[in-house]
Amino acid sequence: DTAVSQTPKYLVTQMGNDKSIKCEQNLGHDTMYWYKQDSKKFLKIMFSYNNKELIINETVPNRFSPKSPDKAHLNLHINSLELGDSAVYFCASSQDRLTDTQYFGPGTRLTVL
Amino acid sequence: AQKVTQAQTEISVVEKEDVTLDCVYETRDTTYYLFWYKQPPSGELVFLIRRNSFDEQNEISGRYSWNFQKSTSSFNFTITASQVVDSAVYFCALTQGGSEKLVFGKGTKLTVNP
Repeated sequence: DTAVSQTPKYLVTQMGNDKSIKCEQNLGHDTMYWYKQDSKKFLKIMFSYNNKELIINETVPNRFSPKSPDKAHLNLHINSLELGDSAVYFCASSQDRLTDTQYFGPGTRLTVL
Repeated sequence: AQKVTQAQTEISVVEKEDVTLDCVYETRDTTYYLFWYKQPPSGELVFLIRRNSFDEQNEISGRYSWNFQKSTSSFNFTITASQVVDSAVYFCALTQGGSEKLVFGKGTKLTVNP
């Protein structure tokens, strides 16, 4: 059984388009996250949600908008895509906000042409 | 501010060699958590271990072992008798008390050659 899943796995799109990445976890966790991994493999947090409430917004451009319809889902919508948005985006979840291990989804490789 | 340093960018070994991946961290908090994750060529991030700041016991899991030393702010990872399947990028990471923000090191790429 997949614990944290993301769709799509690959996303290729043109500059200026709007796209969404979906994330679902079946672990019953309360907290979900989005991380970005750049071309040099550096991983950095973008957002965290706890029980559908935004907790961390790590100076991400307004073009990125997370949406959590329920505790099990955290989607990432990106408007007006730019070349620099090309990266791998990872969703993660944890049971507890502050002390628990974060488990990651398989990642979505976004390529903006 | 928190910081994680993995000074070894790339390591290459021959199968069956032992290899140690270094991790040095910085934090002002007394309560924090340290992690290691593995990212194989397939790209997913696999959790390996979590250690809290009050537990300095070393841990062994099969061929993997971890050495946590608060005196040197290090949390090193050793693979004994390495195998080709161990080839991956390994990330050390840190969260400090009061925040769920996972701060990653830049990763060490391990290549195990047959």
